[in-house]
Amino acid sequence: DAGVTQSPTHLIKTRGQQVTLRCSPKSGHDTVSWYQQALGQGPQFIFQYYEEEERQRGNFPDRFSGHQFPNYSSELNVNALLLGDSALYLCASTHWRRTGELFFGEGSRLTVL
Amino acid sequence: AQTVTQSQPEMSVQEAETVTLSCTYDTSESDYYLFWYKQPPSRQMILVIRQEAYKQQNATENRFSVNFQKAAKSFSLKISDSQLGDAAMYFCAVYNFNKFYFGSGTKLNVKP
Repeated sequence: DAGVTQSPTHLIKTRGQQVTLRCSPKSGHDTVSWYQQALGQGPQFIFQYYEEEERQRGNFPDRFSGHQFPNYSSELNVNALLLGDSALYLCASTHWRRTGELFFGEGSRLTVL
Repeated sequence: AQTVTQSQPEMSVQEAETVTLSCTYDTSESDYYLFWYKQPPSRQMILVIRQEAYKQQNATENRFSVNFQKAAKSFSLKISDSQLGDAAMYFCAVYNFNKFYFGSGTKLNVKP
C-alpha cells in the first residue's frame, strides 16, 4: 500500500518563474492538504482540497493555487516565485471524516535563486 | 488565530533515559485535537501520538506518553527508554476545523 507520494523531490527555479508540485494521496484517502516548511521551522498550512474544491486556506497569497483531480491527486502551483518561497513543500492526505489522521509525503524541496 | 509554542529548540538525552518535550498552545476553540509528529532526517513526518481535548485521560503509545493540561494549554511529550532511532525533529500541533497548526519544533539528540 503506497503512502503519500510527491514529485519532484528537488527542484531549482529562478525568481519570477512558475512551479508545479504534484501529490498522490495514500490509498483510501480523499482529502489533500499542502504545507510549506521553511528551514528550521514548522509546517505552515497552505490549503486543503476535498471533492476537487479548495475547502480551507491559510495565510498565503493568491500566487499559491492548487487543484485536485477526480482520482484525488493534487497539484500545488506557485507563480512569480520569490526567494522567500524556497522551502520544503509537504503534501498530507486523510479521509475527510477521520479527524486529524494526517499522513505526510516526503516533500518537494524547492530552491529559488 | 491559533499559535503553538515549543520553547526548547534542541534537547539531548542519553540512550535508555527519559526526556520530556514541552508544548504550549493558544486557542479559543473548545473542540480540538493535539498531536506530536516526528520528522527524521529523511523528512517524512510520522504521527507519534494524539490527544482529544475533550478527554481528560492522557494518551499513551508504547514508550510515548503525554501530559495534557487543558486549563494551562500545555501538552508535553514524554519519551521513556530513549532509543537512537528517536533522534529527530518533534513537532507539536493543534488540529481544528480541518487545519493543523504546528510549532517550530524541538530537535532531539540521543546519545549512545
